[in-house]
Amino acid sequence: DAGVTQSPTHLIKTRGQQVTLRCSPKSGHDTVSWYQQALGQGPQFIFQYYEEEERQRGNFPDRFSGHQFPNYSSELNVNALLLGDSALYLCASSPQDRGRTGELFFGEGSRLTVL
Amino acid sequence: AQSVAQPEDQVNVAEGNPLTVKCTYSVSGNPYLFWYVQYPNRGLQFLLKYITGDNLVKGSYGFEAEFNKSQTSFHLKKPSALVSDSALYFCAVRDPRNTGFQKLVFGTGTRLLVSP
Repeated sequence: DAGVTQSPTHLIKTRGQQVTLRCSPKSGHDTVSWYQQALGQGPQFIFQYYEEEERQRGNFPDRFSGHQFPNYSSELNVNALLLGDSALYLCASSPQDRGRTGELFFGEGSRLTVL
Repeated sequence: AQSVAQPEDQVNVAEGNPLTVKCTYSVSGNPYLFWYVQYPNRGLQFLLKYITGDNLVKGSYGFEAEFNKSQTSFHLKKPSALVSDSALYFCAVRDPRNTGFQKLVFGTGTRLLVSP
């Protein structure tokens, strides 16, 4: 049973460019969220998707956008990249019917470096 | 707004000794609390959670955590540390009233170093 898979694992971009990160949730999971983990920090919630809609958003600018597809996979898009966007981006999934008590399953992340 | 504090950047312990990684939280109402571990260049792995019930929660790899409501703490413990336990540990809290149920608020992490 594959867990949460993310691609690419590493990428380098320059300021002003745009990036798309991809996530496939664990089998049976229909809810996906994205987190940003800056170096030396804990993960910070970006947003959550369920039924192809953004359900909640953290304190991130509109440059950060996402999408969820009918097969539950998800994309994170970041426009107009800034140096401060350099971070490990983590995707997490869970089954919606586990609700608030269920733990999240994380992928290994996509490490973005902005030069 | 909910928050989590991990007061120690690093905890050092000798193999075979007990370990404690501290966590305190702030949230209105009864919290949902989690511990995750992160190995170098890896994602987060779930260790254990407190939702309700017994204040002592047992989790993966021999870890346990004690929920203390009066002290708003949720310290991670293990009776006998292994070198392989060396990693970065994160405490996280979820507000049970939060309709965005996947939103976790993480602490800044504590690096555990177990020496042989």
